Amino acid sequence: AQSVSQHNHHVILSEAASLELGCNYSYGGTVNLFWYVQYPGQHLQLLLKYFSGDPLVKGIKGFEAEFIKSKFSFNLRKPSVQWSDTAEYFCAVVGSGNTGKLIFGQGTTLQVKP
Amino acid sequence: EAGVAQSPRYKIIEKRQSVAFWCNPISGHATLYWYQQILGQGPKLLIQFQNNGVVDDSQLPKDRFSAERLKGVDSTLKIQPAKLEDSAVYLCASKDSGANVLTFGAGSRLTVL
Repeated sequence: AQSVSQHNHHVILSEAASLELGCNYSYGGTVNLFWYVQYPGQHLQLLLKYFSGDPLVKGIKGFEAEFIKSKFSFNLRKPSVQWSDTAEYFCAVVGSGNTGKLIFGQGTTLQVKP
Repeated sequence: EAGVAQSPRYKIIEKRQSVAFWCNPISGHATLYWYQQILGQGPKLLIQFQNNGVVDDSQLPKDRFSAERLKGVDSTLKIQPAKLEDSAVYLCASKDSGANVLTFGAGSRLTVL
């Protein structure tokens, strides 16, 4: 069955610390991968996506993610977090055809202390 | 461009009552999704429409949930009768046929007492 697993449920960091959120997926076939972010009181927004090509993708606000096909992973990173990065982060996967359903992980709550 | 519109934003009902949520996708987006997001979990797909046809409703509890998209534009999701475990945020999303990126609405938060 298709699934997405996020390693950390709740992460607490101080400002300027580095961030890495783990994501592993189970899916038979070629995939498109996403990280969505949900800031407090706001709707889900796309942070970055991987469709093909360079496995290191850059998104908004200094975030990046690396697709490692052999490990079925798509970890999210940021070298130096800010208080404004406090949010919930969701990893998601869909088959590369356009009719597949987007499957989400359970989410990671990031709290950045000023 | 305007985003995905959803209403109401908040709804409180008692168990066994009914409730309906409305979604208007981004203009021209053929594919529309309803997701259920229970507190502390990731969104779970309930139903996917392509124009006015259902593509996937395998995880929709059909004994109490129904959804329609009669004219292939806006959509309604209904719950009747509601149970306590239906308390969640109901998210609507849409995407263009040529893309594989979903745009989400703000969601409708349901509390069942």
